Amino acid sequence: NAGVTQTPKFQVLKTGQSMTLQCAQDMNHEYMSWYRQDPGMGLRLIHYSVGAGITDQGEVPNGYNVSRSTTEDFPLRLLSAAPSQTSVYFCATGRWTGTSLEQYFGPGTRLTVT
Amino acid sequence: GENVEQHPSTLSVQEGDSAVIKCTYSDSASNYFPWYKQELGKGPQLIIDIRSNVGEKKDQRIAVTLNKTAKHFSLHITETQPEDSAVYFCAATQPYSSASKIIFGSGTRLSIRP
Repeated sequence: NAGVTQTPKFQVLKTGQSMTLQCAQDMNHEYMSWYRQDPGMGLRLIHYSVGAGITDQGEVPNGYNVSRSTTEDFPLRLLSAAPSQTSVYFCATGRWTGTSLEQYFGPGTRLTVT
Repeated sequence: GENVEQHPSTLSVQEGDSAVIKCTYSDSASNYFPWYKQELGKGPQLIIDIRSNVGEKKDQRIAVTLNKTAKHFSLHITETQPEDSAVYFCAATQPYSSASKIIFGSGTRLSIRP
């Protein structure tokens, strides 16, 4: 049971390049999400999905696309990278317990845009 | 919308002493309050949580308290050890909420002095 895996661990892009951050889970959780973490600013939600075929925007969705074709995978696409997207990106899964959503995070992808 | 404030931003305690991190939230509809520990280079890890129908919860050396009237919740770590050094995040969520309602505090960097 690997939990939540993210690839790559590190990535350097040039402004204007595109790429996809991969996230996979083996916990059969319906809920998945992407956060970015900037120094001194905690975690901010980019996009999330409550199940295969369903996605929605979080707090900071601009410049990012997602899709959810399977329960296991939730890739995050940067369409045209900008220096403001330099950050650490975390994927998370979640399971509902009663009325609450418990979240489990992957190890992160550190992205630098030059 | 919900706003979560976390204090202090940094905390240094002597090994063996106790550490307390405090959070306040603004939306009285929030009913689930998880705490995450993030070690250097890793994703946040859920360490304890509390629901609004409970005033206190304890798990070995860590405990969380909730004051619904004052909209305060706190993390208490007793008999601190070097491995407790990390960044700690509080969060607040609402019942049956979409992910956009899960709001994180800005984090507390805890350092344990030997």
